[in-house]
Amino acid sequence: DTGVSQNPRHKITKRGQNVTFRCDPISEHNRLYWYRQTLGQGPEFLTYFQNEAQLEKSRLLSDRFSAERPKGSFSTLEIQRTEQGDSAMYLCASSSRVWSTDTQYFGPGTRLTVL
Amino acid sequence: DAKTTQPNSMESNEEEPVHLPCNHSTISGTDYIHWYRQLPSQGPEYVIHGLTSNVNNRMASLAIAEDRKSSTLILHRATLRDAAVYYCIRKPGTASKLTFGTGTRLQVTL
Repeated sequence: DTGVSQNPRHKITKRGQNVTFRCDPISEHNRLYWYRQTLGQGPEFLTYFQNEAQLEKSRLLSDRFSAERPKGSFSTLEIQRTEQGDSAMYLCASSSRVWSTDTQYFGPGTRLTVL
Repeated sequence: DAKTTQPNSMESNEEEPVHLPCNHSTISGTDYIHWYRQLPSQGPEYVIHGLTSNVNNRMASLAIAEDRKSSTLILHRATLRDAAVYYCIRKPGTASKLTFGTGTRLQVTL
């Protein structure tokens, strides 16, 4: 399968614990995005990378959140000291910008439940 | 912010055409209209996009009003597998992120 993959698919943790999610984009894509989706809402943008550079971060990305893409390939999203409000689906997408198309291809997401 | 307005839900019978409307009255000249859909328990999936002209692809057609303040996604023959939430997104040409609303939940019945 050459699509975007995310691991783990599900994560249950206790409040206060740290969690880390991984995203593997489509191999030739230089852009990688993280979104968060809560029940009944559309995905909300968190941050995006072009190669290894993090070019934009949302105000939603508090200082407990950190994302990396060290070699411009896979990316990790870490949440420190999780809170119940962090429970959501975390989606990763990748794209290869061509003109203004920039079609994003999404992974299946990681569902986080904070108890 | 990039805002669009869509009905919360729509229903269609299988094998019939579906027209999903979207209003984007504050659109600017360089904004593209993108449509994504999200099937249950999956990430969003690209459907189609356009700027000024109507567009067709294997999944759907996109009809954009002449003043570009509204658009319609057309599924020519709905199937049960088309049941999803459809998002209409106004994307500035210089922007990278997608700004999703709450979309239209399409139900398809036999």
